[in-house]
Amino acid sequence: DAKTTQPNSMESNEEEPVHLPCNHSTISGTDYIHWYRQLPSQGPEYVIHGLTSNVNNRMASLAIAEDRKSSTLILHRATLRDAAVYYCILRDEQAAGNKLTFGGGTRVLVKP
Amino acid sequence: DSGVTQTPKHLITATGQRVTLRCSPRSGDLSVYWYQQSLDQGLQFLIQYYNGEERAKGNILERFSAQQFPDLHSELNLSSLELGDSALYFCASSVGAGLDNEQFFGPGTRLTVL
Repeated sequence: DAKTTQPNSMESNEEEPVHLPCNHSTISGTDYIHWYRQLPSQGPEYVIHGLTSNVNNRMASLAIAEDRKSSTLILHRATLRDAAVYYCILRDEQAAGNKLTFGGGTRVLVKP
Repeated sequence: DSGVTQTPKHLITATGQRVTLRCSPRSGDLSVYWYQQSLDQGLQFLIQYYNGEERAKGNILERFSAQQFPDLHSELNLSSLELGDSALYFCASSVGAGLDNEQFFGPGTRLTVL
């Protein structure tokens, strides 16, 4: 599986945007970029995914660099409920099955 | 609520014992995945089933086995338990097996081996 690199932690103030970077310099052309998050004492939760174009949904936006070697998850207005560990994951079309390979993720702290 | 249910919520047992964890996927989902989350290893993929058949295997120990039944629920069997097997075990499900299929995770089963 191609590897991703994320900062260990980030802090944000409530109601401010949060930009979570992810580097994936060895990404292949068939890898999808997925983001999941895990709130305290819960299972992971899907946030967003994309392949080449930027994507928006009700939870967040995903900005993908033109060369696809990095991406940024954008939470437009952080709330206290957004405090979680955010995982950037590459999913490889060539691999058997469609497992999620979790790295260390970024722990986001939201301050009131 | 993701729609994925896992039982039991907590399980405390002794070394050498065997336990069974149960997962019911969301209605209509054909794929079931098992993940283990421990403090030192993080979240690790164990195994995937799709419509009753094993689809992919991760770092699953030989002491562990799983199956998916005709009604699509799945069970993860852990035997000859060791202290290091203490972890959170998550089940997830998705509609299909495609790469852009979102996975929905259950609340997990916390296993403590004493």
